[in-house]
Amino acid sequence: DIQMTQSPSSLSASVGDRVTITCRASQGISSSLAWFQQKPGKAPKSLIYAASSLRGGVPSKFSGSGSGTEFTLTISSLQPEDVATYYCQQHKTYPLTFGGGTKVEIK
Amino acid sequence: EVHLVESGGGLVQPGGSLRLSCAASGLAFSDHYMDWVRQAPGKGLEWIGRSRNKANSYTTEYAASVKGRFAISRDDSKTSLYLQMNSLKTEDTAVYYCVRLYRTSDDYWPDDWGQGTLVTVSS
Repeated sequence: DIQMTQSPSSLSASVGDRVTITCRASQGISSSLAWFQQKPGKAPKSLIYAASSLRGGVPSKFSGSGSGTEFTLTISSLQPEDVATYYCQQHKTYPLTFGGGTKVEIK
Repeated sequence: EVHLVESGGGLVQPGGSLRLSCAASGLAFSDHYMDWVRQAPGKGLEWIGRSRNKANSYTTEYAASVKGRFAISRDDSKTSLYLQMNSLKTEDTAVYYCVRLYRTSDDYWPDDWGQGTLVTVSS
């Protein structure tokens, strides 16, 4: 199975900060990666697919990049409504696997 | 607007069975691939299986942790997805989500999520 490792596992940043989350795959997955946001007590929400394509309706402050084994999710200007746990998921090979999550908080 | 509503969760004893349903609306259900994803209390997300559409013969994929115990099916006439869970273990305790997949030229991506249904396996 492909292992997905996210870092950091948690972060605290100020409103307006640029935030970057990293997701690393244990083997190359080209651009077969998705990102999700899960707010406390809620179902996950899809943000990005194919590593860098923004799902319709998702604010442009979210962006994704990377290919191969290293990927990043960036929030350009952190706002209170962005407090959530963020997950990556590889879609290259079954079983599809998620990263362990990154919890984002406001400082 | 796509709406996915899971039901059927509850308390079940180890070794027991449970069938979850996911009722879909606002989409041409028969065209879509669907996934089941679960989340144990306080833990991360775990993909557990996929149902392909009629055009792809309703074939399925499973995670190793549930293969042979869980079975995914669907009834396009009822726009519903099902998860039959047998030989349940305490480690199957989780919120179970159904997920509609969005098709691009080369892959299928999670798009819409249901609100989830809680399954508790305990004696």
